[in-house]
Amino acid sequence: SQQGEEDPQALSIQEGENATMNCSYKTSINNLQWYRQNSGRGLVHLILIRSNEREKHSGRLRVTLDTSKKSSSLLITASRAADTASYFCALDYNQGGKLIFGQGTELSVKP
Amino acid sequence: GAVVSQHPSWVICKSGTSVKIECRSLDFQATTMFWYRQFPKQSLMLMATSNEGSKATYEQGVEKDKFLINHASLTLSTLTVTSAHPEDSSFYICSARDRDRGFHTGELFFGEGSRLTVL
Repeated sequence: SQQGEEDPQALSIQEGENATMNCSYKTSINNLQWYRQNSGRGLVHLILIRSNEREKHSGRLRVTLDTSKKSSSLLITASRAADTASYFCALDYNQGGKLIFGQGTELSVKP
Repeated sequence: GAVVSQHPSWVICKSGTSVKIECRSLDFQATTMFWYRQFPKQSLMLMATSNEGSKATYEQGVEKDKFLINHASLTLSTLTVTSAHPEDSSFYICSARDRDRGFHTGELFFGEGSRLTVL
């Protein structure tokens, strides 16, 4: 399957703590993206990391990519209650631009 | 910028009827749009790739006669669920790639989704 596997499935933390979620895949990718989805809404693009990159930052987000292990992690630092959402990794296998989504991590940040 | 509008946001229909969902890129042109389906608490499953001016490409296991896709212009793609049944009830989400930026950025822009309930 080309679908990414994410863990944990669910994560509950307190405001101010860091949240880390992981995504693993099986075959070579062109790039890996992370998206956020609030309940019942569309998805919002967070960050993209290309296969030749190892780490990227965007505000409180830090993404790493290890192509040898075929895995990526998303770190959200100093979490806020507003970060409560589902987070999905999405894999671009260079197949016409389509993205294959992982199973998602449901993050709950308690105030 | 990069807004994708999806309509309707929710629809309830009787079994056996057809439902059309529209996906529009409001401030960019999209040669390619993607349709996803999402069940509660699950991931997005790609249904098909919609290409402007040509036939859609369906993923394995998706019935093309059941889910009709039309991409008539650079800003509009439609998904028609034909002869809907209760098992078609789901959250349908479209996404689009900006023709001018998408090749370089790789990101997709998503609509807000359409929740279909078939009675």
